[in-house]
Parts: sequence; C-alpha cells; structure tokens
Amino acid sequence: AQKITQTQPGMFVQEKEAVTLDCTYDTSDPSYGLFWYKQPSSGEMIFLIYQGSYDQQNATEGRYSLNFQKARKSANLVISASQLGDSAMYFCAMRDGADKLIFGTGTRLQVFP
Amino acid sequence: DAGVTQSPTHLIKTRGQQVTLRCSPKSGHDTVSWYQQALGQGPQFIFQYYEEEERQRGNFPDRFSGHQFPNYSSELNVNALLLGDSALYLCASSLAGRKQETQYFGPGTRLLVL
Repeated sequence: AQKITQTQPGMFVQEKEAVTLDCTYDTSDPSYGLFWYKQPSSGEMIFLIYQGSYDQQNATEGRYSLNFQKARKSANLVISASQLGDSAMYFCAMRDGADKLIFGTGTRLQVFP
Repeated sequence: DAGVTQSPTHLIKTRGQQVTLRCSPKSGHDTVSWYQQALGQGPQFIFQYYEEEERQRGNFPDRFSGHQFPNYSSELNVNALLLGDSALYLCASSLAGRKQETQYFGPGTRLLVL
C-alpha cells in the first residue's frame, strides 16, 4: 500500500538557519509525484515544491529544495534562511497513479528569533 | 488569476443534519478533489470529479456525495452528520491530463458537528 511517513512531529529552528524536514514514502508504482505543502494556522494548504519520480535533478523553488533519494525512498524538504513566517505545519504528499494525493501526518515547524 | 475558493468558511451543524460545501476551482482547472482533515491529521482523500462525474473515491461512506457543474465548480454533500465528521474540508483543483500537475487547495471549510 502507498504510504507517506513523516517522523518528526515538531521541529524548531532559529531564524536565518536552514532546516530539513524528513519524508519517506512507499509505493510500488514506478511513476509518482512528491509534493510538499505548507499549512499555516488559517488552514489553507500552500503548494511549495514538486518532484517527479523520473526527474534527474532535485527540485528547487526559491528557499525550498527537495532532497530526493529514490533508492532510499526519501524526499526531504530543506528550507534555507528560515523566516518567522515559515512557522506552520508542513505536509509531504504523494500523488499516486490514480491522481489522488496521499498525505503524511505533518511536521510542525517553529522558527524562533 | 483567481485561486480556489470555498464556501462557507465555517459551519456548525447538529448530528443527523445534512450539509453542503461549495468549491470553485482555479481558473483554467477542470478537476476538483475533496479532502477531509481531522484535527491533528493529514488530509484524507474523499473523491475527485472530472467532466461532471466522480472519477475516483477514497474510503468514505455513501453519506458523502458530490457533484460537479458544467463550470467545473463542485459541491460536497454529507448526510446524517456524525460527531466524527467534524473536520476541515479542503477542496483542490487541477488540470486533467498533465502528469506533473499540481493540486492547488482552497482555504477550506471548518465543519463542527454538535
């Protein structure tokens, strides 16, 4: 069965430092997509970054990068130069062959001054 | 470019009642997916609509039903509400046929069942 695992319920990082949020996945489908979303307390899921299973290079979007290790089935999110506004829940998700998203349980990131 | 919109933002119902939630997709998108997010959990897929038909469904009872209109907007209906239906309901839109398509989410509807 397809599954996303996020083992860090909470993470703390100081402003301007980098932080890595872990995500591992399980699927037998050779074609899949991996996503990271940010969810502030308002509730809206904000798309951050996407990695396709056949992409040769790690995805980057501004301060966000995805450390994709296919053999280890991991897709960790790296946030560089953390800002106070980065404090939120972060969800890793996988799109299966049927085009639905499977989410992990999330990691709460708190950025302190 | 309007993003995904949902209404209402908050809703309070009592057990046994019925509720209808609404979603308008991002401009240019033709596929709408609905998710339920219980407190402290990740979102769970309810179903997806494309071309006014339910294309796939998650592990939710028949009390959960939906509809998609010709303008691609969608409704989620829940009958015979249970206390456990209290959750944030998220709508996401995307464009069918693109393998790398991202689903963009609306702000959600918070449903409280008393």
